[in-house]
Amino acid sequence: DVKVTQSSRYLVKRTGEKVFLECVQDMDHENMFWYRQDPGLGLRLIYFSYDVKMKEKGDIPEGYSVSREKKERFSLILESASTNQTSMYLCASSTGGGNQPQHFGDGTRLSIL
Amino acid sequence: KQEVTQIPAALSVPEGENLVLNCSFTDSAIYNLQWFRQDPGKGLTSLLLIQSSQREQTSGRLNASLDKSSGRSTLYIAASQPGDSATYLCAVTRGGRQLTFGSGTQLTVLP
Repeated sequence: DVKVTQSSRYLVKRTGEKVFLECVQDMDHENMFWYRQDPGLGLRLIYFSYDVKMKEKGDIPEGYSVSREKKERFSLILESASTNQTSMYLCASSTGGGNQPQHFGDGTRLSIL
Repeated sequence: KQEVTQIPAALSVPEGENLVLNCSFTDSAIYNLQWFRQDPGKGLTSLLLIQSSQREQTSGRLNASLDKSSGRSTLYIAASQPGDSATYLCAVTRGGRQLTFGSGTQLTVLP
């Protein structure tokens, strides 16, 4: 079974801090994704990556950056956290060109105070 | 811009009932459609993936259909159980890999 692991289930940070969310997958998947999920807005794509060291903006990239130095790891970075980035963050991975399902981690519930 | 809608937003049924969840999308140029399940406070679990060339997929008590021309998909759950209680999300793949999600249907199966 595919295992997508997010480093923290719950995280509390302060406004202005630099925040790192880590995601690791164990199935050698090429594609990795970061989403945020908010009540009433559903899941929205922040960034995704098709390969090591490459990244593409999703629908809501503002205020975020990503890093993919190794194939199995995809990091989401909040450069200067703000209260409107309080959310549930979900990481996913998949293989192939889009004809395979995406597999999700359990999520990180991030609160910015 | 692709929009995905799921109706109803919430559904409550007694145990043992067969039920249908609905998903509609505005742009029929999709790569595939996925149905997911999400338990409270958890990530998403992939249930079924239907390629754009397929009409349906089955897994156990679940059957998903796809009608691209009308922009609709249904998820049929047979003989529902309390353990089926969760939020069910559909998502369409655009541009090869990116998903656009619906807002989900929250299902409660009463014992």
